Amino acid sequence: LAKTTQPISMDSYEGQEVNITCSHNNIATNDYITWYQQFPSQGPRFIIQGYKTKVTNEVASLFIPADRKSSTLSLPRVSLSDTAVYYCLVVASGGYQKVTFGIGTKLQVIP
Amino acid sequence: DADVTQTPRNRITKTGKRIMLECSQTKGHDRMYWYRQDPGLGLRLIYYSFDVKDINKGEISDGYSVSRQAQAKFSLSLESAIPNQTALYFCATSEGLAGLETQYFGPGTRLLVL
Repeated sequence: LAKTTQPISMDSYEGQEVNITCSHNNIATNDYITWYQQFPSQGPRFIIQGYKTKVTNEVASLFIPADRKSSTLSLPRVSLSDTAVYYCLVVASGGYQKVTFGIGTKLQVIP
Repeated sequence: DADVTQTPRNRITKTGKRIMLECSQTKGHDRMYWYRQDPGLGLRLIYYSFDVKDINKGEISDGYSVSRQAQAKFSLSLESAIPNQTALYFCATSEGLAGLETQYFGPGTRLLVL
């Protein structure tokens, strides 16, 4: 089970791009990197997933270098509504692996 | 996500009482999970079920039991509630196909044990 390490908290002003980096040094060949977002008093919500290079959707971008030992979630031009906890997970494809959410990164967007 | 519902949303109970938290889903997923969240500790897995006949313990199953009544329903019971079970409880589902485990969470049940 690949362990992930991410900052506990980050602050950003509205309109800025936010990059949250996650390290996963012992990631396995069949593992994917997955990010969830959790607003206060709500359940986590899947936002993006990738294996290598770059993945982009309407919410965020995910950058994964060639060695895959880290990944960066990029949120463009954040707003106050992006204030949330962001979890980086390493998930195996196929079968079941106990998914560990950890404590995540608490992003506070400041007006 | 309205596809995963939890009842009750809030509950206050006393030490020693039996309590059941219910989860229903309309996503048609085979896999269901129960987590608890405590401040500063992230989410911890209590039990999970791959299908109606499959029940598995998670990280912190002591003091809890579950029942998978149907594909769409997964209940969590606290047989004799204690104050340190005060937490926010989440139910989640996933497809469980030969692919990736993207989980869909319910709105949560806030439980206070006095």
